[in-house]
Amino acid sequence: EAGVVQSPRYKIIEKKQPVAFWCNPISGHNTLYWYRQNLGQGPELLIRYENEEAVDDSQLPKDRFSAERLKGVDSTLKIQPAELGDSAVYLCASSSPRTDTQYFGPGTRLTVL
Amino acid sequence: AQSVTQLDSQVPVFEEAPVELRCNYSSSVSVYLFWYVQYPNQGLQLLLKYLSGSTLVESINGFEAEFNKSQTSFHLRKPSVHISDTAEYFCAVRGTYKYIFGTGTRLKVLA
Repeated sequence: EAGVVQSPRYKIIEKKQPVAFWCNPISGHNTLYWYRQNLGQGPELLIRYENEEAVDDSQLPKDRFSAERLKGVDSTLKIQPAELGDSAVYLCASSSPRTDTQYFGPGTRLTVL
Repeated sequence: AQSVTQLDSQVPVFEEAPVELRCNYSSSVSVYLFWYVQYPNQGLQLLLKYLSGSTLVESINGFEAEFNKSQTSFHLRKPSVHISDTAEYFCAVRGTYKYIFGTGTRLKVLA
């Protein structure tokens, strides 16, 4: 089966610019996660969706970050405006109750100049 | 709340030598435990997992981990490493819904 797809793989922007990341989860996986991974650290959860509902967004910096999963399938994470400290790898993952396991996409490496 | 501790940030080891990467966790509820591997510029790949049943779990490429409830540990081992095992390894714990990751251990296999 196809894995989690993310695009773009790399993005370089100047601070204060907007940026968006896209994720398509594994078919049939109703749970979708967005993580941020800083250099030398493990992933940290930003938001978790169950179908189209955001059930845990407590770690999402809502002043500049937003996310949506309108039809309960693919999802978009947006940052507006970006700051230097947002440079990181943004990972998307998905899971289903049947597997009880997360599967990750390749990530988007964001560099803010 | 759950937490994960990976005490070793880097582990150098010679090829064909054994290795152990340590992972300790804390949780007030029953947990699922995972090891993920991350190669440069790639996402995390599931290596092995403990959900229930046998406390010793194995991966297809020779790694194994043992769930030790009394010591709250889930250490990863391999009896003989290869150059291709060089990567970052992350331990993760899942309680009710949330996954918590450790800070990772960089395994460097030397020729």
